[in-house]
Amino acid sequence: NAGVTQTPKFQVLKTGQSMTLQCAQDMNHEYMSWYRQDPGMGLRLIHYSVGAGITDQGEVPNGYNVSRSTTEDFPLRLLSAAPSQTSVYFCASSYLGAEAFFGQGTRLTVV
Amino acid sequence: AQSVTQLGSHVSVSEGALVLLRCNYSSSVPPYLFWYVQYPNQGLQLLLKYTSAATLVKGINGFEAEFKKSETSFHLTKPSAHMSDAAEYFCAVNTGNQFYFGTGTSLTVIP
Repeated sequence: NAGVTQTPKFQVLKTGQSMTLQCAQDMNHEYMSWYRQDPGMGLRLIHYSVGAGITDQGEVPNGYNVSRSTTEDFPLRLLSAAPSQTSVYFCASSYLGAEAFFGQGTRLTVV
Repeated sequence: AQSVTQLGSHVSVSEGALVLLRCNYSSSVPPYLFWYVQYPNQGLQLLLKYTSAATLVKGINGFEAEFKKSETSFHLTKPSAHMSDAAEYFCAVNTGNQFYFGTGTSLTVIP
């Protein structure tokens, strides 16, 4: 099993550009989520999904969009990148109520 | 709303000394509780988890945590710190469909 796979690992965007961060898991987990990690702020939940076709907003959803068409994939879209979105992004998956498995992260810089 | 509080954003211990990282949660019912470790430029790795089977939970690398319902605490300990324990540690709560993370504690081990 590959676990949780995130791509790309690094990305530099110009302000206003859009992009999609990919996340895939092969553990048949119902729950998938996206976090951003900023110094001193821990992990903040952006969006999450409890199953295919079901998504919901987390703590910091503005500027991000998600969809869940399959159990395996949960892409995160940046609609119009801003410098405030410079961060490290983590995707995670789990069974409901169980421990989360994390991807290796995407380090995004918006200039 | 659920919250997780980690006391002390930075903790320094001497090699061989006791490690104590504090975590308190807010919940009316005991949730699922976790400790994760993050090494530089890596994703989060599960250290241990509490799922109501036993109040003292043993994890990897010699870490353990004790669940105290009366204190709503889940502090992480290790009897003897090793240089390789230097990392960021996160306490997390899973309420069933959402994970809540503390802001993290950076552990420094002094030789």
